[in-house]
Amino acid sequence: NAGVTQTPKFQVLKTGQSMTLQCAQDMNHNSMYWYRQDPGMGLRLIYYSASEGTTDKGEVPNGYNVSRLNKREFSLRLESAAPSQTSVYFCASSAALHFGNGTRLTVT
Amino acid sequence: AQTVTQSQPEMSVQEAETVTLSCTYDTSENNYYLFWYKQPPSRQMILVIRQEAYKQQNATENRFSVNFQKAAKSFSLKISDSQLGDTAMYFCAFMKLSYGQNFVFGPGTRLSVLP
Repeated sequence: NAGVTQTPKFQVLKTGQSMTLQCAQDMNHNSMYWYRQDPGMGLRLIYYSASEGTTDKGEVPNGYNVSRLNKREFSLRLESAAPSQTSVYFCASSAALHFGNGTRLTVT
Repeated sequence: AQTVTQSQPEMSVQEAETVTLSCTYDTSENNYYLFWYKQPPSRQMILVIRQEAYKQQNATENRFSVNFQKAAKSFSLKISDSQLGDTAMYFCAFMKLSYGQNFVFGPGTRLSVLP
């Protein structure tokens, strides 16, 4: 019963570096989401995918790209990391939101 | 656009007592879901309870219950018989059912259960 699996759990990047956060779910859910969590601001939606082959911007999409590779996987890419992207990132699936355990990203 | 407000940044309660966390939201949608999530220090996000807007009956899950007032756009969470393990951040969230299906989260309430 893996649920939603996110990798990596921790990452430190230098400004300008790129990386991809991976997310996979084994619950056959259609919808998947990427959020960022910053202190005092709750979770804010970056991008979501209502179904395989579709992606849409959320509240804070700038600086990010996503790819819904198949029904299971939904990746988040930072092309040129900035200190403002230091945050905890959560992937989630389904209408009731099954969450991954988060990725703590620090950009120096 | 939808907004969710949690007016209590921090709260505390004695073990075994009852506490109520407040949440208000703003929307023009008629069909939607409301949720409470718990985030303990482990950082994991855990669904506590869910309410469908078309249901008048308040949702209940063991020691957790909600007071859903649709006209007032209020959705409070009551925790009865508080336990030390209830110490966590609690987030109220709104999900619309029209296309987009995106969630909006409130800023959270930090609850401390005191022994």
